[in-house]
Amino acid sequence: AQRVTQPEKLLSVFKGAPVELKCNYSYSGSPELFWYVQYSRQRLQLLLRHISRESIKGFTADLNKGETSFHLKKPFAQEEDSAMYYCALRNTGRRALTFGSGTRLQVQP
Amino acid sequence: DAMVIQNPRYQVTQFGKPVTLSCSQTLNHNVMYWYQQKSSQAPKLLFHYYDKDFNNEADTPDNFQSRRPNTSFCFLDIRSPGLGDAAMYLCATSRDTAAGYTFGSGTRLTVV
Repeated sequence: AQRVTQPEKLLSVFKGAPVELKCNYSYSGSPELFWYVQYSRQRLQLLLRHISRESIKGFTADLNKGETSFHLKKPFAQEEDSAMYYCALRNTGRRALTFGSGTRLQVQP
Repeated sequence: DAMVIQNPRYQVTQFGKPVTLSCSQTLNHNVMYWYQQKSSQAPKLLFHYYDKDFNNEADTPDNFQSRRPNTSFCFLDIRSPGLGDAAMYLCATSRDTAAGYTFGSGTRLTVV
């Protein structure tokens, strides 16, 4: 069975500090990995997906198949990055996403 | 310009009294999903529709049903809500299976 693990419920950093939100997955095939973000009082929205290899709002994430990880990184955190972040996985041949339990990022001034 | 709309935002229902949650979309996406999210937990997929095809998750209780009368609307019916069904219910849509989701704002269900 596929599983997504986000080991940290809360990550608190100061503005300007680097950020790394951890995501590990268990799946034997070739997964698609996503990061979703939920800002206060807003709906969940797609932040980035690994196949796009893009940087959104300064965030990047690299799929490491050897370590089965898809950590989200940003070199310099901003206060507006404070939000709930969810890692999600979709396996080939399955439509729906499996989500992790989320990490709350707090960026302090 | 909300594209996936869930009604109501908050729903209070009595133990055992049937309740229906609503989701509508203006995106013309062919896939619609229902997730249940309890406090501090991951959103858990209940079922999804691919066009008119209903796809139930193996561990979704029979107490949960869904209807999709047309492309735009999808309903979640809870036949006999229990206290354990109190949660946030999220509706999401996607265009086919390769795309990311568009989420609604969710309906928070309270069972009293």
